[in-house]
Amino acid sequence: GENVEQHPSTLSVQEGDSAVIKCTYSDSASNYFPWYKQELGKGPQLIIDIRSNVGEKKDQRIAVTLNKTAKHFSLHITETQPEDSAVYFCAASISSYGKLTFGQGTILTVHP
Amino acid sequence: SQTIHQWPATLVQPVGSPLSLECTVEGTSNPNLYWYRQAAGRGLQLLFYSVGIGQISSEVPQNLSASRPQDRQFILSSKKLLLSDSGFYLCAWSVRGGPRTQYFGPGTRLLVL
Repeated sequence: GENVEQHPSTLSVQEGDSAVIKCTYSDSASNYFPWYKQELGKGPQLIIDIRSNVGEKKDQRIAVTLNKTAKHFSLHITETQPEDSAVYFCAASISSYGKLTFGQGTILTVHP
Repeated sequence: SQTIHQWPATLVQPVGSPLSLECTVEGTSNPNLYWYRQAAGRGLQLLFYSVGIGQISSEVPQNLSASRPQDRQFILSSKKLLLSDSGFYLCAWSVRGGPRTQYFGPGTRLLVL
């Protein structure tokens, strides 16, 4: 089955800096890659996603890039703010039923 | 708009007791439904998914079961809880036959003592 590796497991940045989280996946048939943000005690919230026919997608301060040849995708957050502090999860999917395989998560801390 | 509810929000149960967690979705029809478990500081593990009433697929062997008695209702159960069943349980839904985006509920925190 699909395996998703995510790193780093923790990331600490200063407010205003950029943050990058990277994920690799094992199954070349994967074609949908969402990113979720989870705040303490809450359910994950989708922040951005990308499909395999697209190499990059941007939404304000958040962007995702996908390299299908290398089987990795990354989340980029620019001009970080303290409210960006949370756990971020990447995921990959090849199933028409929408089954997702998640990475282990990255704890992002943005220091004021 | 669509909303997803889970209850209870928090539950403390003794080992060996039964369990029933409920998830309901509003504002959509025929959704795919999912149950995940999240151990402290860990990623999300898919437990069950359902593409329709009475249709349940299990991802991992365990002490839990799931049922879907109605289109927008998904229930997670156990006859006898184990200590290892402690965790954060998340329900999610996606559009059947549509984009594979999954939307998560607020979760239930279960502590088995």
